[in-house]
Amino acid sequence: QQPVQSPQAVILREGEDAVINCSSSKALYSVHWYRQKHGEAPVFLMILLKGGEQKGHEKISASFNEKKQQSSLYLTASQLSYSGTYFCGTQGAQKLVFGQGTRLTINP
Amino acid sequence: DTEVTQTPKHLVMGMTNKKSLKCEQHMGHRAMYWYKQKAKKPPELMFVYSYEKLSINESVPSRFSPECPNSSLLNLHLHALQPEDSALYLCASSQGRGSNEQYFGPGTRLTVT
Repeated sequence: QQPVQSPQAVILREGEDAVINCSSSKALYSVHWYRQKHGEAPVFLMILLKGGEQKGHEKISASFNEKKQQSSLYLTASQLSYSGTYFCGTQGAQKLVFGQGTRLTINP
Repeated sequence: DTEVTQTPKHLVMGMTNKKSLKCEQHMGHRAMYWYKQKAKKPPELMFVYSYEKLSINESVPSRFSPECPNSSLLNLHLHALQPEDSALYLCASSQGRGSNEQYFGPGTRLTVT
């Protein structure tokens, strides 16, 4: 079952914050976050393995609410380099299923 | 070294051609994956190899044939493709088949004419 991401697209000015949500109708065992720039391969950002887990990577962090079957990715003080499409991936039955993606555009 | 390499970068083939896509990793990963990605869509899993054995085939048509000659190499053999098979084909690897981060190669942009 494909996780659902929201919003589908976000346009920000440099320095603004954004939140991308990922939810599933099935129980989540882990959530992966990837960023893909246009014409490039997806790049791993972080993985959350336990409910309540929070992780950070520079100014990008994420949380995982196991009970609500959702995860959120937080981008603070966004930089131009953060532009791209963000995918969450939910792990189940030994395979990763990606959400439909959230396109993030950062303008100067 | 966290690099996954793929060749060729671009491929144009006719519907009667036979071609192969190649993927290589030297991270000692034991799981390797093929994904297909259409424009503005997420990657869709095609095949998973774990310890050089095919463990998942996502009901992919037989015109796509995967092969894992050794733990570092993954091939995707293509035969009698259709124009709708045109897409970006991504290879990825991970330490194991479970909840491990996947490292993606740059992909092969395939066009079927």
